[in-house]
Amino acid sequence: ETGVTQTPRHLVMGMTNKKSLKCEQHLGHNAMYWYKQSAKKPLELMFVYNFKEQTENNSVPSRFSPECPNSSHLFLHLHTLQPEDSALYLCASSQDDGDRVYGYTFGSGTRLTVV
Amino acid sequence: QKEVEQNSGPLSVPEGAIASLNCTYSDRGSQSFFWYRQYSGKSPELIMSIYSNGDKEDGRFTAQLNKASQYVSLLIRDSQPSDSATYLCAVKAAGNKLTFGGGTRVLVKP
Repeated sequence: ETGVTQTPRHLVMGMTNKKSLKCEQHLGHNAMYWYKQSAKKPLELMFVYNFKEQTENNSVPSRFSPECPNSSHLFLHLHTLQPEDSALYLCASSQDDGDRVYGYTFGSGTRLTVV
Repeated sequence: QKEVEQNSGPLSVPEGAIASLNCTYSDRGSQSFFWYRQYSGKSPELIMSIYSNGDKEDGRFTAQLNKASQYVSLLIRDSQPSDSATYLCAVKAAGNKLTFGGGTRVLVKP
């Protein structure tokens, strides 16, 4: 496996369900990210993990809960979501050397539909 | 004011012509700039990065950066139908996060 892999590719869940999105990077990067992409809106940064430490949480509702057990894996746990949470959820990784950020490598994304 | 602004398009370009995309940003302290290409239903793919004022060329793509005017542009020479996609401008400001613009949709017509 190479690059950044995300599973599942598609997910349909009810508002009372609990599910998790998984991301794994095989690039040796030290930073991982969750982004949300809704129709006709820019990519929205949700969470940042650098060296496994969460360094940013952009006022994301608590129904989204990230987990980063090591520098290669990132999860997004979902519970009691709302229909407006339906979107493409993208995981990305990068090598962060402090002053310079190299481009992110994105996974294929999970298309989430909340019914 | 949005942090990173792009014209949403669509930018319609004849095959073989030059497509010119612009992006402006609000944070003067921004240091790193990126262009991503996103095909419909796919994830963004990095095509160019630029860190210093001036031009940077890579194949048919040229990125131009002007920090004093706070804009970055992307030129696509000899546009092909396969270049039809949404192009996202991304800027690194404070911290290690990238902020993305809304994207410009490009349509290359044969």
